[in-house]
Parts: sequence; structure tokens; C-alpha cells
Amino acid sequence: TQLLEQSPQFLSIQEGENLTVYCNSSSVFSSLQWYRQEPGEGPVLLVTVVTGGEVKKLKRLTFQFGDARKDSSLHITVAQPGDTGLYLCAGRIDQNFVFGPGTRLSVLP
Amino acid sequence: NAGVTQTPKFQVLKTGQSMTLQCAQDMNHNSMYWYRQDPGMGLRLIYYSASEGTTDKGEVPNGYNVSRLNKREFSLRLESAAPSQTSVYFCASTTGTGVSEQYFGPGTRLTVT
Repeated sequence: TQLLEQSPQFLSIQEGENLTVYCNSSSVFSSLQWYRQEPGEGPVLLVTVVTGGEVKKLKRLTFQFGDARKDSSLHITVAQPGDTGLYLCAGRIDQNFVFGPGTRLSVLP
Repeated sequence: NAGVTQTPKFQVLKTGQSMTLQCAQDMNHNSMYWYRQDPGMGLRLIYYSASEGTTDKGEVPNGYNVSRLNKREFSLRLESAAPSQTSVYFCASTTGTGVSEQYFGPGTRLTVT
């Protein structure tokens, strides 16, 4: 059983579309991070959210942390082929991080 | 700055062989981690080291041992490799304080036949 669930598992869209991916848990996290991972490389941190209800924007990416600090969403507007990759969320519990299985996004030109 | 480095990048082992995966960071981070990544499973924590001189088990420690050699280096050892240990292994480090953003190495792709 995954402590963190992500949906959808796979997403294929056309360039220019908008999309939202979700990260859900029954556990409360002290912070939550989103990473993007490209083939053959390690995950790269996109953002950390700490406060319940927090919204952070990074150019075309908007991240939201749920009020109860159990879930998060990532919204991408006007998707580009360069957004293609595996998006992972990771929740922090004590010293450690628990990762979701990821959403594999493909943006077609 | 190199960040987090891992060696080797690829390795093929036969069942029962042993090997050590090396990890080093040059960011003066206190905490270091070993994860394995399998399709559809995300990253699962094998072992971690909150600070130099300490190590603790993560979610999937069986079949592995670790050594925190100094503040920079954290190695992962497979004493008797099994096909179930075929995976991609990532090392990561964080400051260990505050928000603790993780920085990952490029990974080691291990195949056990």
C-alpha cells in the first residue's frame, strides 16, 4: 500500500493544453515537495510547500498544498514539450521523505 | 560544485555476488539517503544517515548494509545480490535542518541475473 498516491499515473496531452496532477495521502506531512525526473537522471526539486493552503507559482506551474497538509496538486498551463517527464511528490515525516509513484507526463508537439 | 555523485553508473551482477555503490556530496550536508526506484513504485527508502556516525533503516533495508564513511560519503553494500535487487539506486543529501530540500545523484542502474 502506497502512503502517497498520485493521479493520473500517465498523461499524454498536446502542446498548449492545461493539466493538473494530484498527490493524495491519509497522512499529515510537515512539508511536501514536487520533483521532475527525466530519463536516466535523478529527480530535480521543483518546489517545497510547507503551510496548509499554501499556493506557489513557478512560471507556468502552480503548486497547492491542501489545508490539512495531506494532499497537493500541480497545475501546468500552456504545456510545452519540455514539461515532459516523471512528476514525483514527496511528503516529509520526521527526518524522512515518502515518495509517491509518480505521474508520467508526455507533451506532444 | 559537483553536488551528489554516484559510482558506478551501470552494473551487472550474478546472483550471489557482492558490490558496493559509492555516493559522495560536496555541499556539506548532514543527512544522506539511499533509495531504490522500481517501475510504478516511486522511490523507496533503503537506509538513511541523519548525521555523520549514524545510520538507520528505511522502508526496504533487507539485503543491504550502509556505511557513513565521513560527512561526504555514504556507501551502500549488497552482500549477496538477488534478482529482486535489480533496480535503479539513487543517493540523496539534505542539510537535515529546516525545510531540507533533497539533492539527488544521477543514479546507478543495477541488474542482477
